[in-house]
Amino acid sequence: QQQVKQSPQSLIVQKGGISIINCAYENTAFDYFPWYQQFPGKGPALLIAIRPDVSEKKEGRFTISFNKSAKQFSLHIMDSQPGDSATYFCAARRGSNYKLTFGKGTLLTVNP
Amino acid sequence: GAVVSQHPSWVICKSGTSVKIECRSLDFQATTMFWYRQFPKQSLMLMATSNEGSKATYEQGVEKDKFLINHASLTLSTLTVTSAHPEDSSFYICSASFANTGELFFGEGSRLTVL
Repeated sequence: QQQVKQSPQSLIVQKGGISIINCAYENTAFDYFPWYQQFPGKGPALLIAIRPDVSEKKEGRFTISFNKSAKQFSLHIMDSQPGDSATYFCAARRGSNYKLTFGKGTLLTVNP
Repeated sequence: GAVVSQHPSWVICKSGTSVKIECRSLDFQATTMFWYRQFPKQSLMLMATSNEGSKATYEQGVEKDKFLINHASLTLSTLTVTSAHPEDSSFYICSASFANTGELFFGEGSRLTVL
């Protein structure tokens, strides 16, 4: 049973465009929703995270939109750059020491 | 963000040997660390949860005698792949939970190749 569903599996965007990656979760007990960026051969790096008491969080070009009633959250990358090309994982967790449940990842390619 | 260091970053070993991978939280104390395995173009698969001073909790299907985890201090956890075989070749990644915020930070990963 996949508790966090991520889409699309891959995404190609032109430089300067907006990249949008979506995730849906099932467990209403999740209370922490991070996004990770992973470059080939490297570990995932925390990009931005949100808790369910807010509907949106923005950090630079990266924004998380959170819809609690729909049990969905998304990552928006504004003014996408070739350096943003990487695999992005959404995740969800219940409590501070519980394991993260990851989505399957989205391979983003930003063409120059 | 907090720094998690993993060593070695890559290792090649012969079949039948054991390999130890270290995971250190450099600037914070981590009561809980997690070990993941990642196959090419796939998501991270949790292997075990490691709590300082206690036995690790392994996910279903992960052989605890094969993948030995030790979390002897608040800044160090180790994963030992015992009697490694080619099918154990993978990318192993650790992560540490920052107690104050609950954020999870990952190491750079260790590429294991078993010949």
